[in-house]
Amino acid sequence: DVKVTQSSRYLVKRTGEKVFLECVQDMDHENMFWYRQDPGLGLRLIYFSYDVKMKEKGDIPEGYSVSREKKERFSLILESASTNQTSMYLCASGPDIVLPYEQYFGPGTRLTVT
Amino acid sequence: GNSVTQMEGPVTLSEEAFLTINCTYTATGYPSLFWYVQYPGEGLQLLLKATKADDKGSNKGFEATYRKETTSFHLEKGSVQVSDSAVYFCALSLISNFGNEKLTFGTGTRLTIIP
Repeated sequence: DVKVTQSSRYLVKRTGEKVFLECVQDMDHENMFWYRQDPGLGLRLIYFSYDVKMKEKGDIPEGYSVSREKKERFSLILESASTNQTSMYLCASGPDIVLPYEQYFGPGTRLTVT
Repeated sequence: GNSVTQMEGPVTLSEEAFLTINCTYTATGYPSLFWYVQYPGEGLQLLLKATKADDKGSNKGFEATYRKETTSFHLEKGSVQVSDSAVYFCALSLISNFGNEKLTFGTGTRLTIIP
């Protein structure tokens, strides 16, 4: 079974702190994604990566950056956390195949910024 | 741009009731369509998918048919169980500018089944 793990299930940080969210997948997938999930807004794509050291902005990249130094690991960085970044963060990975496309999700990290 | 609209929740049903969760989409081109499910405390997992018009995806008693003429992909189940309580997301995928696919999700519908 594909496994996507995230470093923390719950995280509480203070405004202005630098925050790292880690994601690891064990299926040698080329593509990895970071989403945030908010009530009434569904999932919104923050950043994605289709190869090591490659990254592309999603729909809401402001206030975030990412790092992918190894194929299996994709990190989301909040340079200076703010209260409006309190959310559930979901990592996903997917193989580099043509249609149809499926993504495999981790359990999520619920981040609270106070 | 591409978007997915699904019915507002929450939806509460009694066990063995018939379920419909509506989903419509807007897309330039011919997307693939998906339903994902998120059980309490877990990440999303794929429930079913369809890649072209008139395809029917099915899994665990759930079904959805890709209707190009109405741009819809409604989720149905004939007899729901308490274990079906979850949040359901409709999604579409299209080739992105980088040649790979991105998923666009709806807002999710929370389903609660009462014994």
